[in-house]
Order: sequence, then structure tokens, then C-alpha cells
Amino acid sequence: SYELTQPPSVSVSPGQTARITCSGDALPKQYAYWYQQKPGQAPVVVIYKDSERPSGIPERFSGSRSGTTVTLTISGVQAEDEADYYCQSADNNDFYVVFGGGTKLAVL
Amino acid sequence: QVQLVQSGADVKKPGASLRVSCKASGYTFIVYFIHWVRQAPGQGPEWMGWINPNGGATKYAPKFQGRVTMTRDTSISTAYLELSSLRSDDRAVYYCARSTGSYSYFDYWGQGTLVTVTS
Repeated sequence: SYELTQPPSVSVSPGQTARITCSGDALPKQYAYWYQQKPGQAPVVVIYKDSERPSGIPERFSGSRSGTTVTLTISGVQAEDEADYYCQSADNNDFYVVFGGGTKLAVL
Repeated sequence: QVQLVQSGADVKKPGASLRVSCKASGYTFIVYFIHWVRQAPGQGPEWMGWINPNGGATKYAPKFQGRVTMTRDTSISTAYLELSSLRSDDRAVYYCARSTGSYSYFDYWGQGTLVTVTS
């Protein structure tokens, strides 16, 4: 089955830039989406269609793609950004929705 | 405002079936797909499938085929998830979520329903 691979954890200091990657063979042909999830809450989309930012999401959140890897970048990280981040996409054949395993962002 | 309100937490015995409801409001129910996603404790989200309220077509993740049924009642703007032959590892928070398409992103989520499976 199709998989999206994320690093388990990323650590940054406040004000620094955090980059979270997501790799998958189908990503060159499928959009990627990014969610932020805080404890006890449902996920919230922070990036859609690789690099679009929904209204209400701070400008410090951005997305990009290079080949089979998409990247969520958080510039000027704030303490409130500490959360789990998940990428989402689909396979190229059956178009099943797939989530990455998640990355825990620690703001030190 | 868009809301997806799910039924409350439930406790089931192994082998039983669960049924979770998801009542939509604040938008036209049949315009958006409803997906079901579950999340086991300490794990990431796991997609289970979708239902298109406009006509009732469904698509299930291979892992759940044969055990899952998704339905809807358009008269009350409500979608339902049924999962049978429950096992202890089905313990999870079950979410419904809205999307514009069959594999697009989820812009609104329900509050989640915790299902515990225990003898």
C-alpha cells in the first residue's frame, strides 16, 4: 500500500525556521495537504494544494514541492506552533487518501 | 457556520458493531463528501473511506472493506459510520470530515467520537 514518510520529530528554538518533509512516490502527480493537530483536538488544515494557505492561517506557514518530497515550512516559529503535523495525499491508482505518520514539532 | 456534530463516546464488546453519526449544518449537505478518519491513541490519522451524500456512492480503504459501511440520510443532513466485528485495536477516536472531493483535503472536522472496545 502507498505510504507517505515523515520524520518523527523536529526541534527548533522560537524564532527559527522549522522544515517538515513528507516523501511519497505519487507526490509529483498528487496534491499534498498539511494539518496541525494539538492534543485533544481535531486536525486543522494549514496548507492545501501543496502551497495554498487557508484564510486564518498565519503567513509564517508555507508549503513547497520538489519531486517526490513536499515540505511544510514554518518561519519564525512560535511556542503555539508546537504540535503534531501530518501530510495527506492520495495514491495514483485508486486515489485512496493517505496520511503521513506525523511529525512532532518541539519548540525548545 | 459549518458544523459537523458527532454522536457521543461509546463502549463496545469485542465482536460487536459500532455506529457513529455525524450531523452537518451550515452548508448544503449534498455538495460535499463526508470522509471518516480514525485515530488510535498516540497514532496518526487513518483514513477509512468516504460517502458522497449526493447519491450515496461510497469508497472504503482496503483495510476496512467487508467490515465498514457508510450511509447517509439527506433528510436530516446526517452521515453514519458502521464498523462491525470490533476488536480491541479498533479503540480510537473516530472523526467525520468534509471535503470538496473524493481525495481532497478536509476543511471541517467533527469533534470526534471515542470508541472503546473492551470485554
